[in-house]
Amino acid sequence: NAGVTQTPKFRVLKTGQSMTLLCAQDMNHEYMYWYRQDPGMGLRLIHYSVGEGTTAKGEVPDGYNVSRLKKQNFLLGLESAAPSQTSVYFCASSSWAEQYFGPGTRLTVT
Amino acid sequence: SQQGEEDPQALSIQEGENATMNCSYKTSINNLQWYRQNSGRGLVHLILIRSNEREKHSGRLRVTLDTSKKSSSLLITASRAADTASYFCATDRSGGGADGLTFGKGTHLIIQP
Repeated sequence: NAGVTQTPKFRVLKTGQSMTLLCAQDMNHEYMYWYRQDPGMGLRLIHYSVGEGTTAKGEVPDGYNVSRLKKQNFLLGLESAAPSQTSVYFCASSSWAEQYFGPGTRLTVT
Repeated sequence: SQQGEEDPQALSIQEGENATMNCSYKTSINNLQWYRQNSGRGLVHLILIRSNEREKHSGRLRVTLDTSKKSSSLLITASRAADTASYFCATDRSGGGADGLTFGKGTHLIIQP
């Protein structure tokens, strides 16, 4: 069991570029989440999904889009990257309350 | 907005001592969770306490919940160097927990050997 995996681990983007972060889980969880973590802060919810084909906005959704075409995958897209999106991005999955987190993607936007 | 706020922001103790950190939250909850994050890693779930529980134990961890004060505490007994990490409390955003968690800013715990 790999648990929750994230691709890539690191990425540097220029302002205005786009990219997609991939999250995969092998625990058959219904619920999946994308969070961002900034220095000295806790995690903030970007988008989430309660099942295949569904997505919903979290606390800080602006500038991001998501898709959940397969139950095991949850994609996070940045349409036009901005320096304010420099952060560490964590994906998580759950079947109820306890969430399982991936190792994170460190994104820098210059 | 941050639902939970941990206190203190940082804590440094000697190995073998007990570490206590606190969390306050703003709205009613169904449950409260504590997570640990080692430097540069993802979060790991430690313990969940339901709103109708007052205390819960798991190994060296003891969690209390006071819903009247909207606060929780995490006690780590007989601390070890491996306990050095950041600790976050998290509450469900709404009823069932399916729509994600709200995290505090965390307590950074350092265990001195």
